Amino acid sequence: EVQLVESGGGLVQPGGSLRLSCAASGFTFSSYWISWVRQAPGKGLEWVANIKQDGSETYYVDSVKGRFTISRDNAKNSLYLQMNSLRAEDTAVYYCARDSAEAGFFDYWGQGTLVTVSS
Amino acid sequence: DIVMSQSPDSLAVSLGERATINCKSSQSVLHSSKNKNFLAWYQQKPGQPPKLLIYWASTRESGVPDRFSGSGSGTNFTLTISSLQAEDVAVYYCQQYYSSKTFGQGTKVEIK
Repeated sequence: EVQLVESGGGLVQPGGSLRLSCAASGFTFSSYWISWVRQAPGKGLEWVANIKQDGSETYYVDSVKGRFTISRDNAKNSLYLQMNSLRAEDTAVYYCARDSAEAGFFDYWGQGTLVTVSS
Repeated sequence: DIVMSQSPDSLAVSLGERATINCKSSQSVLHSSKNKNFLAWYQQKPGQPPKLLIYWASTRESGVPDRFSGSGSGTNFTLTISSLQAEDVAVYYCQQYYSSKTFGQGTKVEIK
């Protein structure tokens, strides 16, 4: 069974940093692109970043470029999101999602971890 | 960036009746050489992550009931629930994956 389990969310002050993790199981992690997708409270979905199977390519939505860094450790079946210079508008549930092997839609999602940026 | 717009924002449908959700992209998501529309639909119930329903605009994900169907091409797409069930109450999102990835704002489906 495919499982994605996020952790690391919490309350952080504006300008602060946080590192999210996503533990994957039930599939060959190193064979898939993986994404982070976020959802602000009561709002819609926003793709944040993704990373290629071997970590050699990464892509970001414009609003987080230069502040967030996506990475992975295939030996640990884990995905990470380092978030720096956090802003109130980064407050959201952050989901780890597997990019389908066929193309860029998401066939499995984690339960999400809540990040709250507030003083 | 490709902007996705859904209509309506919400709709209330009687049990057993048809529900239709529209999704429009700001530019075509039809890949001409592959002859495929890079468009997916998701269902999100309260407190849960999204669930993939449809990809390539009309291919139903394994295990999704056949009352869910997707249609359309180019810039205009539709998700249809042929006979609404109580468990279909949710927010539905379209997503393009032709150029980066962007979602529509969501459509909330309720029981009338």
